[in-house]
Amino acid sequence: QKEVEQNSGPLSVPEGAIASLNCTYSDRGSQSFFWYRQYSGKSPELIMFIYSNGDKEDGRFTAQLNKASQYVSLLIRDSQPSDSATYLCAVTTNSGYALNFGKGTSLLVTP
Amino acid sequence: EAQVTQNPRYLITVTGKKLTVTCSQNMNHEYMSWYRQDPGLGLRQIYYSMNVEVTDKGDVPEGYKVSRKEKRNFPLILESPSPNQTSLYFCASSKLLAGATGELFFGEGSRLTVL
Repeated sequence: QKEVEQNSGPLSVPEGAIASLNCTYSDRGSQSFFWYRQYSGKSPELIMFIYSNGDKEDGRFTAQLNKASQYVSLLIRDSQPSDSATYLCAVTTNSGYALNFGKGTSLLVTP
Repeated sequence: EAQVTQNPRYLITVTGKKLTVTCSQNMNHEYMSWYRQDPGLGLRQIYYSMNVEVTDKGDVPEGYKVSRKEKRNFPLILESPSPNQTSLYFCASSKLLAGATGELFFGEGSRLTVL
């Protein structure tokens, strides 16, 4: 099984701060990388995807990919209490079809 | 409304009693997949399908069967459920982008308890 590793947390940040979430993966052939957010009792929903090395920004969210280090991160700027959720890193396998998820990092944004 | 619909949402059954969890999507997605989510283990892929009549095993396929006879439907079959299949199940679908999985759209989940 291809591994996708995340710190389980909880990661606690004050409102307005930057939250940094990290993910490493073992399959060097992985091509697509996703960050999902899951609120308690709900389904995961996509926040961002990234395919190329470097940074990708969307509003308060920035995804960073370093394929050489097999590392993906998600930065959340100006964190809000509504950002409190579990963040799931997902990585496609070499085939491009199977999508493996990390166990998720729990984020708590305190007012 | 674009959606992935799973049924049933909640089910309590007994060991050995065959059951099927249905999944249907209305977005004309090629790719569909089943996941189970367990505390401390995260989301684990059971089976996936790249198109009609094309399926492949994920990481935890034992005890499950799937079929993809129509593009919109991807049922999950538990022929002889056991208590270790008690879990929260998610169906998801995606367009294929350049031959790879894109954004997954998830159903609301089906909570299954096997006694």
